[in-house]
Amino acid sequence: DAKTTQPNSMESNEEEPVHLPCNHSTISGTDYIHWYRQLPSQGPEYVIHGLTSNVNNRMASLAIAEDRKSSTLILHRATLRDAAVYYCISLRAGSYQLTFGKGTKLSVIP
Amino acid sequence: EPEVTQTPSHQVTQMGQEVILRCVPISNHLYFYWYRQILGQKVEFLVSFYNNEISEKSEIFDDQFSVERPDGSNFTLKIRSTKLEDSAMYFCASRLQGVWDEQFFGPGTRLTVL
Repeated sequence: DAKTTQPNSMESNEEEPVHLPCNHSTISGTDYIHWYRQLPSQGPEYVIHGLTSNVNNRMASLAIAEDRKSSTLILHRATLRDAAVYYCISLRAGSYQLTFGKGTKLSVIP
Repeated sequence: EPEVTQTPSHQVTQMGQEVILRCVPISNHLYFYWYRQILGQKVEFLVSFYNNEISEKSEIFDDQFSVERPDGSNFTLKIRSTKLEDSAMYFCASRLQGVWDEQFFGPGTRLTVL
């Protein structure tokens, strides 16, 4: 799996958009980009994933750079419940395991 | 909404004792996983299981660990002789089928080895 790099922490005001960046400069053409998050004292939770095109779901949007060396998770309106550690994971084709890094700890300020 | 469940939520054991952590994956899922997270550290992959056999395992998953799907619903992780360093949160996860399907995680079992 390609190495991913994320900022250690970020802050956002409640009800404002949040852009969480991730660099994955060594990603290969068939690696998918997955995002998970872990709320305090809970197990990880799937957020979104994509390959080349931007993706939207009810939780978030994923913007993938044209060269695929970076991506951005977008939370359109941060709520207090979105305070969590967000993990960007490059998933190699044929691999079953998720390799978690340290992620980005998102704090949401009321 | 279907969810992965784990029991017990907290297990305390003495060093050297055997423990079994139990998980009930989502009913139609075919792939099962165990991960662990030592306090303050990253979530680490232990093992994946498909079609009644291990498909991948990490270096952490040594001979002291084993997994089993004893019936159609449960998925267990056994640690044969616990060590102090096995103290961690253990998360079970399951995935439907497709290689890009998301993994659904349970709430975890906190294992404390004294």
